[in-house]
Amino acid sequence: QKEVEQDPGPLSVPEGAIVSLNCTYSNSAFQYFMWYRQYSRKGPELLMYTYSSGNKEDGRFTAQVDKSSKYISLFIRDSQPSDSATYLCAMAASGGSYIPTFGRGTSLIVHP
Amino acid sequence: GAVVSQHPSWVICKSGTSVKIECRSLDFQATTMFWYRQFPKQSLMLMATSNEGSKATYEQGVEKDKFLINHASLTLSTLTVTSAHPEDSSFYICSASLGLAGGPRSTDTQYFGPGTRLTVL
Repeated sequence: QKEVEQDPGPLSVPEGAIVSLNCTYSNSAFQYFMWYRQYSRKGPELLMYTYSSGNKEDGRFTAQVDKSSKYISLFIRDSQPSDSATYLCAMAASGGSYIPTFGRGTSLIVHP
Repeated sequence: GAVVSQHPSWVICKSGTSVKIECRSLDFQATTMFWYRQFPKQSLMLMATSNEGSKATYEQGVEKDKFLINHASLTLSTLTVTSAHPEDSSFYICSASLGLAGGPRSTDTQYFGPGTRLTVL
């Protein structure tokens, strides 16, 4: 079992839909949780960063962490075609290297 | 925001040659730089981590004699793929951080470059 599991998709939704992207993990030591967006042939860019459990909202994006279930989510409201990209979750443990472990990414397609 | 550049953005080379990829932090001093490789539809795989002024720390399974990393200054790191072979063809991405590797800031302040696509014939 991989440390971080993420469905590669693709996930295709109509413009304006609410998108839910998810990752599960097995390492209970993870405490730092991140979501990156990567456009084709580009490097990832950090979207959301949370520490430990809870929710964090930034504009149309909401990140949720449920450590008891080892499950994290990214919600995108009012999705736009410009949101079409690959979304990678990443997580890191404290007390160690703090180097993130990445999921394989979910490809999102928002069609007009 | 912090900007990281990579050069070249793509390179094609013959088998057996060496290729150097540069990673620069343009508007900040990067204490730590990371090198990743990414295969199509796969996750980012960390290759090595380097703090300025010290030798790079390579991940298990990454040949340090094949992938030479030089963190020359706080704004420049280079990855040299020596004697490249077709199986080395991949997308190589660097990232730069304000924090020291081994600390939480290295997690939350990683800024990624645009990547370099290497094709070895």
